[in-house]
Amino acid sequence: DIQMTQSPSSLSASVGDRVTITCRASQSISSYLNWYQQKPGKAPKLLIYDASSLQSGVPSRFSGSGYGTDFTLTISSLQPEDFATYYCQQSYRTPVHFGQGTKLEI
Amino acid sequence: EVQLVQSGAEVKKPGESLRISCKGSGYSFATFWIGWVRQMPGKGLEWMGIMFPGDSGPIYSPSFQGQVSISADKSISTAYLQWSSLKASDTAMYYCARHWQVGGTRVIDYWGQGTLVTVSS
Repeated sequence: DIQMTQSPSSLSASVGDRVTITCRASQSISSYLNWYQQKPGKAPKLLIYDASSLQSGVPSRFSGSGYGTDFTLTISSLQPEDFATYYCQQSYRTPVHFGQGTKLEI
Repeated sequence: EVQLVQSGAEVKKPGESLRISCKGSGYSFATFWIGWVRQMPGKGLEWMGIMFPGDSGPIYSPSFQGQVSISADKSISTAYLQWSSLKASDTAMYYCARHWQVGGTRVIDYWGQGTLVTVSS
C-alpha cells in the first residue's frame, strides 16, 4: 500500500494569512494527488486534483503543487470559511489512501 | 445537477445485518465508478472500495475485504454497502463517492451526504 503522511496535523492561523499544508507519499505517485476540504458535519469536498488542477467552482486562493512523493496545498489568503480539515489522497493505485488530515483552526 | 442521496441513519445490534444505499441522479450512473468511504467518530477518511455499475466485480481495500459487500443496481441508479454481521467497531459515518475517471486516475468528485451507522448492544 502507498501511505500518505500530512503535516502539520493541526495549524492555527488568522484571516488573511498564507498557509501551506504538506503531504508526502511513501513512494512515487506521479501527480496523482488530490486535496479535499471537510467542514464539521459535512461531506468532504474536492479542491485540487492531479496535484495542481483546481476543481471547478473552487476559489483561486487554493493552489496545489508537487510531483513524485512531495506535495503542498497552499491557501494564499485565508478566509473565514476556509477553517476546516484538509485531507490529501493518492489515486495512483488501489487501495486508495488518505492522509490523516490537517485541522486548520483560527 | 449531480446528486448522491444516501439512506438514513441506522441503529443496529452486534451480529445484525445491514444494507445502506446511495442513489445517484443528474448523471449517467452506469458510466462512473462508485465507491464508499468510512469515517469513524472523530477520525479521518478510509477508502473502502469501488465498483463500476453493471460491470466487473468490486475492488476492495484489503482492510475491508471480507468485511463488507459493495454492489450496485444500474437500473435504479443505486449503489449499496452491506454487512452480514455488524460489530461495534463498524460504528461510523459512511459516505458514497462518485469516482471521476480523469486521465489515468479516478478522482472522487461528488460525495453523498453520509449515513451514520451505530452498532450497540
